[in-house]
Amino acid sequence: KQEVTQIPAALSVPEGENLVLNCSFTDSAIYNLQWFRQDPGKGLTSLLLIQSSQREQTSGRLNASLDKSSGRSTLYIAASQPGDSATYLCAVRPNGGSQGNLIFGKGTKLSVKP
Amino acid sequence: DTAVSQTPKYLVTQMGNDKSIKCEQNLGHDTMYWYKQDSKKFLKIMFSYNNKELIINETVPNRFSPKSPDKAHLNLHINSLELGDSAVYFCASSQGWNGELFFGEGSRLTVL
Repeated sequence: KQEVTQIPAALSVPEGENLVLNCSFTDSAIYNLQWFRQDPGKGLTSLLLIQSSQREQTSGRLNASLDKSSGRSTLYIAASQPGDSATYLCAVRPNGGSQGNLIFGKGTKLSVKP
Repeated sequence: DTAVSQTPKYLVTQMGNDKSIKCEQNLGHDTMYWYKQDSKKFLKIMFSYNNKELIINETVPNRFSPKSPDKAHLNLHINSLELGDSAVYFCASSQGWNGELFFGEGSRLTVL
């Protein structure tokens, strides 16, 4: 059974720091992996989608990597800003077509202090 | 021009009532989902659906039922509401079973 773990559960950094959020999954048979951010009381915003054949994806100050064989993904945020404060969720889609629904981690709550 | 929209955003009701949450997507996607986020913020799939197949998470009580009048809508009906149904319910859509997911803003259900 696929399980997704995110460490740390919470992280507080001063503005301007570069930081890394970690995601691990127990079964490497995944189709893709998606990173989201969730602001309080809001829905999830898709940040990056990495296909299983890819090693990384970049969008602006965000870079996500994927090491499928070791069951790990990282989300790198460069030059953090207070507006980056949110909960970041990692989700994997197992192989299996219609049976392969996204499985979420519990998220990392990020606080960027001015 | 919200991509995935849900109504209502907040819903407060009594135990035993029947309620519905509506979801519409204007992305042209063919697959839609309902997720439940509990008090610990953990997201779990409830249903996934396209015009060919409905996948139901086996842990979902049969008091919950999705209804899709067309490809752009997937509504959630809940019968005989219980206290434990209180949660935030999110609708999402994707193109195909493996596409990138886009979420609505969520509907917070409180059962008294």
